[in-house]
Amino acid sequence: KAGVTQTPRYLIKTRGQQVTLSCSPISGHRSVSWYQQTPGQGLQFLFEYFSETQRNKGNFPGRFSGRQFSNSRSEMNVSTLELGDSALYLCASSQSGGGEQFFGPGTRLTVL
Amino acid sequence: SQQGEEDPQALSIQEGENATMNCSYKTSINNLQWYRQNSGRGLVHLILIRSNEREKHSGRLRVTLDTSKKSSSLLITASRAADTASYFCATDEANSKLTFGKGITLSVRP
Repeated sequence: KAGVTQTPRYLIKTRGQQVTLSCSPISGHRSVSWYQQTPGQGLQFLFEYFSETQRNKGNFPGRFSGRQFSNSRSEMNVSTLELGDSALYLCASSQSGGGEQFFGPGTRLTVL
Repeated sequence: SQQGEEDPQALSIQEGENATMNCSYKTSINNLQWYRQNSGRGLVHLILIRSNEREKHSGRLRVTLDTSKKSSSLLITASRAADTASYFCATDEANSKLTFGKGITLSVRP
């Protein structure tokens, strides 16, 4: 089976812009979670989608949003980018949400 | 917020030695997992131990869980240079999200 894929791998944006990141889970996996990783805050949970429904949400402002499509692919959107949004954004999939998570390679977002 | 806190923050050992990493957490968990990350890439799942298990083995990995002390340890035996990476413990509180610690940087010298 192909692993979790994330596009794009690298992204450079300027403050105030918005960005959309994409994640394709492993075939058959219905749960997709998103994490933000920064040197200062470490790995932080953003949200989790299961069968097109947001099932869990972390402590991030409303500028961070996501969605999941019927084929389980997921996108996350960050609006009005701030310098502090520079991070590695990781997507993970699993069959039902709990247990082992399979991570993608991440999208490295740099906000200038 | 961090749930898991790993200890030590950094570890440097010689190839062939064993590496022991510890993790403490705060709340009740469904399971605890260990992940490895190489150079800011994606995380790789290493091992999962459920709350009703005390010890688990996978190849050169041995993980223990003490729910009364809210702590876990990961032992990597006969370390190799390729084990050089960051290691994270993550707790699953049965609400479909993982809470990670800050990670341990392991350096294995050839």
